[in-house]
Amino acid sequence: DIQMTQSPSSLSASVGDRVTITCRASETVDIYLNWYQQKAGVAPKLLIYDASTLQSGVPSRFSGSGSGTHFTLTISGLQPEDFATYYCQQTYSSPPWTFGQGTKVEVK
Amino acid sequence: QVHLVQSGAEVKKPGSSVKVSCKASGGTFNSLTIAWVRQAPGQGFEWMGRIITIFGTTHYAQNFQDRAILTADKSTSTAYMELRRLRFEDTGVYYCATIFRAPSGSFGFDSWGQGALVTVSS
Repeated sequence: DIQMTQSPSSLSASVGDRVTITCRASETVDIYLNWYQQKAGVAPKLLIYDASTLQSGVPSRFSGSGSGTHFTLTISGLQPEDFATYYCQQTYSSPPWTFGQGTKVEVK
Repeated sequence: QVHLVQSGAEVKKPGSSVKVSCKASGGTFNSLTIAWVRQAPGQGFEWMGRIITIFGTTHYAQNFQDRAILTADKSTSTAYMELRRLRFEDTGVYYCATIFRAPSGSFGFDSWGQGALVTVSS
């Protein structure tokens, strides 16, 4: 199975900050990389697919980049509603489509 | 967008089985592929498997191949996940999600159920 590793596991930030989260794959996943946001006690929400395509309705302050094995999620101008845990997921080749362990964005 | 509603929380004993339902509305059930993932307490997500509802075709993660059964009832637009021979470590929240295919050919989970907490306790 392809292993996904996120860094950092948590970070502290303030409203208005630019936040970057990294996701690395143990082998290439091309651009087949998704990002999800999960708030406490709630189901995840798809933010980005194909490494950089925003899902409908997702604010433009979220952006994704990368290909192959190295990907980033950037939040430009952190908003109060963005404090949550973010997960990457690869959907390259056949399942299992594995997730990263998550990055928790907390209030500084 | 499809709306998924899952069954409620369950408390089960080790060795027993649990069956979680996932009812879909707002879309064509027969066009759906539904994934199941588990989130252990304070942990990330573990892929369990998927079912292509129109065919009933299933694919399981190796960790669940012997104990999980995914089914779909087209008459009620409901998918089910049954997990047998429960262990303490099966405690967690079980989510269903619809799988969409992007124009590029990639996949994503675009609609999620609210999750069903399963607690395995003696």
